[in-house]
Amino acid sequence: GAVVSQHPSWVICKSGTSVKIECRSLDFQATTMFWYRQFPKQSLMLMATSNEGSKATYEQGVEKDKFLINHASLTLSTLTVTSAHPEDSSFYICSAARDSMWETQYFGPGTRLLVL
Amino acid sequence: SQQGEEDPQALSIQEGENATMNCSYKTSINNLQWYRQNSGRGLVHLILIRSNEREKHSGRLRVTLDTSKKSSSLLITASRAADTASYFCATDGRGGADGLTFGKGTHLIIQP
Repeated sequence: GAVVSQHPSWVICKSGTSVKIECRSLDFQATTMFWYRQFPKQSLMLMATSNEGSKATYEQGVEKDKFLINHASLTLSTLTVTSAHPEDSSFYICSAARDSMWETQYFGPGTRLLVL
Repeated sequence: SQQGEEDPQALSIQEGENATMNCSYKTSINNLQWYRQNSGRGLVHLILIRSNEREKHSGRLRVTLDTSKKSSSLLITASRAADTASYFCATDGRGGADGLTFGKGTHLIIQP
C-alpha cells in the first residue's frame, strides 16, 4: 500500500505555455500533499503544501501565481506551471502523508519538465 | 529554515565494503528520515528515526541520531552494486504534516 503516482512522467513544452502535473494517492487518503522541485545534481526543495479543500501554503520565494496548486479531492493534487520558461525546467516530485500517519511521506516517481 | 548537510558529497567504494554517510541539521526536529534516489527517479523511503531514538536498524541499514550534535549517520553494510544511488537525509522539525527539509545528498557509487 501507500502508492503515489504522478502524471505525466515527463513533458516537453514551449516557452509561454502552461503545464499541469497530477499527483494521486492510489490506495490511501491524503489530506495533505507536498510539492518539491529538484534541479539537476541538487537536493529537493519544498515548494508548497497542498491541503484538500483549502489554499496551498507556499514556501518563501515560490511564486503562487506561477505555480498554481489545486487539491480538489483526498486523492488528487495538481500543480500547474503557468507561462513556463526554460528556468522552470526541473524535476517536480510530489508526496503525500496518510491522514493517520503524518510522519512518513510517500513520494511519487516525479515529473521531468523541459521547457524549450 | 533548517537545512541538512550530508557528507561526503560523493563516496566511491568497492562492493562488499561498508558505506557511511553523515547528515547535520540546524534546528530541533521531531524525526529524521533517510531516502534513496536512483538517477533521475523518485525517492525511496529507507528509514525514520525519531528524536527520542538513538539508533535504528533495518536490514543492512543502521542509522544513528545524536540530537545534541544535531547529526545523524547512515551505515550501509556489505554494499552491493545496486546500492549505487544518491542518499538524502530529511528532517521534519515543525510538527504535524509538514514538508520535509532535505540535505544536499551523498552520491554513493559501489564499484563491482
